[in-house]
Amino acid sequence: DAGVIQSPRHEVTEMGQEVTLRCKPISGHDYLFWYRQTMMRGLELLIYFNNNVPIDDSGMPEDRFSAKMPNASFSTLKIQPSEPRDSAVYFCASSLENTEAFFGQGTRLTVV
Amino acid sequence: GNSVTQMEGPVTLSEEAFLTINCTYTATGYPSLFWYVQYPGEGLQLLLKATKADDKGSNKGFEATYRKETTSFHLEKGSVQVSDSAVYFCALSAVSGGSYIPTFGRGTSLIVHP
Repeated sequence: DAGVIQSPRHEVTEMGQEVTLRCKPISGHDYLFWYRQTMMRGLELLIYFNNNVPIDDSGMPEDRFSAKMPNASFSTLKIQPSEPRDSAVYFCASSLENTEAFFGQGTRLTVV
Repeated sequence: GNSVTQMEGPVTLSEEAFLTINCTYTATGYPSLFWYVQYPGEGLQLLLKATKADDKGSNKGFEATYRKETTSFHLEKGSVQVSDSAVYFCALSAVSGGSYIPTFGRGTSLIVHP
């Protein structure tokens, strides 16, 4: 398996624009996590899915953020509208129950 | 709730020095414990793990022992190399709201000088 695949690797966008981050988890994994990493806050769990169902989105900072998992092999994290304070590295990770999480390479988002 | 506390960095060492990064945890039940490493520009990757008390995880010269009595999982390496420079995250996996959720510490930056 190629591991968790995220796209794009880098995204630069203007304030107010919509941003969509994409993730392909490892085949067979039943958990998918979205994290945000910044120097100030460290690694924050935004939302996670179990068997494609969103379980806990309490970490999503605002209504501007939304995530979907239409099938077991694809998930998106959308920010609309984007703001400069959303600039961060966004990671997707997948796992089996109670095992280690496998992380993607991340998407570095810059909102100007 | 579940939580992980690890020592703040950066930790700065000379090559071949001994490394310890402290990690303590709070969790319900019997968590699995992990150390992850993050190299610049990359995602986190698993370094080692332990799934029950007194287990020792080891990989690439790094070791950590699951100490239930002190709720600790300290990372050690006898002789660090410049290539070990990275950020290290202690983590646990435990039940939270019916699901096994990973909980991460803040990360500790390690800088190794030649």
